[in-house]
Amino acid sequence: KAGVTQTPRYLIKTRGQQVTLSCSPISGHRSVSWYQQTPGQGLQFLFEYFSETQRNKGNFPGRFSGRQFSNSRSEMNVSTLELGDSALYLCASGDYYGYTFGSGTRLTVV
Amino acid sequence: QQQVKQSPQSLIVQKGGISIINCAYENTAFDYFPWYQQFPGKGPALLIAIRPDVSEKKEGRFTISFNKSAKQFSLHIMDSQPGDSATYFCAASAGSNYKLTFGKGTLLTVNP
Repeated sequence: KAGVTQTPRYLIKTRGQQVTLSCSPISGHRSVSWYQQTPGQGLQFLFEYFSETQRNKGNFPGRFSGRQFSNSRSEMNVSTLELGDSALYLCASGDYYGYTFGSGTRLTVV
Repeated sequence: QQQVKQSPQSLIVQKGGISIINCAYENTAFDYFPWYQQFPGKGPALLIAIRPDVSEKKEGRFTISFNKSAKQFSLHIMDSQPGDSATYFCAASAGSNYKLTFGKGTLLTVNP
């Protein structure tokens, strides 16, 4: 069974640019969540999608957005990048039995 | 407001020893408590999880102990091995809400 696939693995962007990250969940999982991981704040919930609908949203500014497609694949977008957005962005897909994380996208904003 | 408090921040254990990591939560609506293991460069991997209808769950060398009245749960790693050296996160979620609230993590080092 294939795991959660995130692309790209690494990204370097300039302040003010925007970025789109992609996540392919485990086949059959309809819930996809996104988390931001930084050394200072740890793992923080961004948002969760279920069957193309956003069900939950964390405390992040509107520059962070996401969507889910009919095949459950998800994307997250960050507009007007700031230096503080440098982080590991993790996608997780889940069902009742638990959540499986991908290896993440390491975003560096310079 | 940190809803899941994890301790210690770091832990050094000798090979063969017992590693114990503790977490406390505030939200009584939480009903799913997983532990994740994360190696450098990798995403967190689900290690073991418990729901509040049981007080203990064991899988191999890993045991979760759960105290509902104290709103605490802990991870015990028996016979700790150098390969267990990683960062461990406790987490919690409520109902069908797929939002995980994580503790700050514990860096475990197992010396050979």
